[in-house]
Amino acid sequence: NAGVTQTPKFQVLKTGQSMTLQCAQDMNHNSMYWYRQDPGMGLRLIYYSASEGTTDKGEVPNGYNVSRLNKREFSLRLESAAPSQTSVYFCASIRLAGAYNEQFFGPGTRLTVL
Amino acid sequence: DQQVKQNSPSLSVQEGRISILNCDYTNSMFDYFLWYKKYPAEGPTFLISISSIKDKNEDGRFTVFLNKSAKHLSLHIVPSQPGDSAVYFCAASANSGGSNYKLTFGKGTLLTVNP
Repeated sequence: NAGVTQTPKFQVLKTGQSMTLQCAQDMNHNSMYWYRQDPGMGLRLIYYSASEGTTDKGEVPNGYNVSRLNKREFSLRLESAAPSQTSVYFCASIRLAGAYNEQFFGPGTRLTVL
Repeated sequence: DQQVKQNSPSLSVQEGRISILNCDYTNSMFDYFLWYKKYPAEGPTFLISISSIKDKNEDGRFTVFLNKSAKHLSLHIVPSQPGDSAVYFCAASANSGGSNYKLTFGKGTLLTVNP
């Protein structure tokens, strides 16, 4: 099991460029998530997908779009990158087990927007 | 409004001693709490969790205590080891059994364990 994988690991964009961050999980989890982590800000939820075919906004969705391509894959798109989107992006999926849920994270994508 | 607060950005302890990381929350609907550990350049990894029906959960050197009346939880690491040096995130959810499941994270505490 690879768990949660993310590509690319690093990316540098110029302001206004677009790109898609890819995420895949092989654990057959229904729910997937995109977070961003900024210094001193913890992890903030951008978008999530409770199941294949559904997506919902999180705490900081502006400037992003998502696609839940199938059960395995959940991509995050920046249509017109801005310096404020410089961050580390984490994808996660969750094993729902009643009162004992556990969220698994990918290794992250470090994005710099110049 | 920050619903999960970790008021200590950093903590330094000696190897072998106890590390106590604290977390406060404001949302009384939270019913499930987790601690994650994060090393530089890696994703967070799950450490330990506790349901609101309990006040303590233990896993090896790690124990989480929950005080619902004070809306406070703490993570105890005994004994602390240099490999425990990492950022620790507290997280909470308000729908532990539901499909529309989301976690709210604190800002993290950097723990440094000195040899």
